[in-house]
Amino acid sequence: DTEVTQTPKHLVMGMTNKKSLKCEQHMGHRAMYWYKQKAKKPPELMFVYSYEKLSINESVPSRFSPECPNSSLLNLHLHALQPEDSALYLCASSQASGRSSYNEQFFGPGTRLTVL
Amino acid sequence: QQQVKQSPQSLIVQKGGIPIINCAYENTAFDYFPWYQQFPGKGPALLIAIRPDVSEKKEGRFTISFNKSAKQFSLHIMDSQPGDSATYFCAARPGSSNTGKLIFGQGTTLQVKP
Repeated sequence: DTEVTQTPKHLVMGMTNKKSLKCEQHMGHRAMYWYKQKAKKPPELMFVYSYEKLSINESVPSRFSPECPNSSLLNLHLHALQPEDSALYLCASSQASGRSSYNEQFFGPGTRLTVL
Repeated sequence: QQQVKQSPQSLIVQKGGIPIINCAYENTAFDYFPWYQQFPGKGPALLIAIRPDVSEKKEGRFTISFNKSAKQFSLHIMDSQPGDSATYFCAARPGSSNTGKLIFGQGTTLQVKP
């Protein structure tokens, strides 16, 4: 199974709502990533978890809160978002043992988020 | 500098043509250079990757050419097909990184006409 799944596919939320994005992989990968992608732009790294511990936070606003409850799951909790946070949110995973193991990142299809 | 510059922004070729996408970087500590392909509504997928000790790598119809002295690398798609129409991103990994952090180029939208 070389698939990263993300739910929901689409999400519309108001600025006062609290919602969560979910990502799951069963490839035994111990590194998981959240990216944000605006239309016609490259993915922007938000967070990296390695062995269920947060290893990179790219100065992301606190209204985005990541969580890695186990080695297969990655959540992104959303609260008090702004319209400019509307984007495609991508999850990815990779091996995490040795530098070359991080190389191949498998991306999920993303969650299309719209903040009204 | 932690930047990768990609060109052109968009590209249109006829079926069978050989589109070429170029990327340039400044940081000589980058140690891994992947190319990703992204179709509309999908996540990026790793297409092919190269390390700086290799000057060329081929996988099927896709070839990476790497010029370490010029700090440039490019993607060539042989015998391009309409199904290759997608957005292509080059990327580079900082050598100091112990995680999978990648620096992406701005992307090239390729259209292959039948």
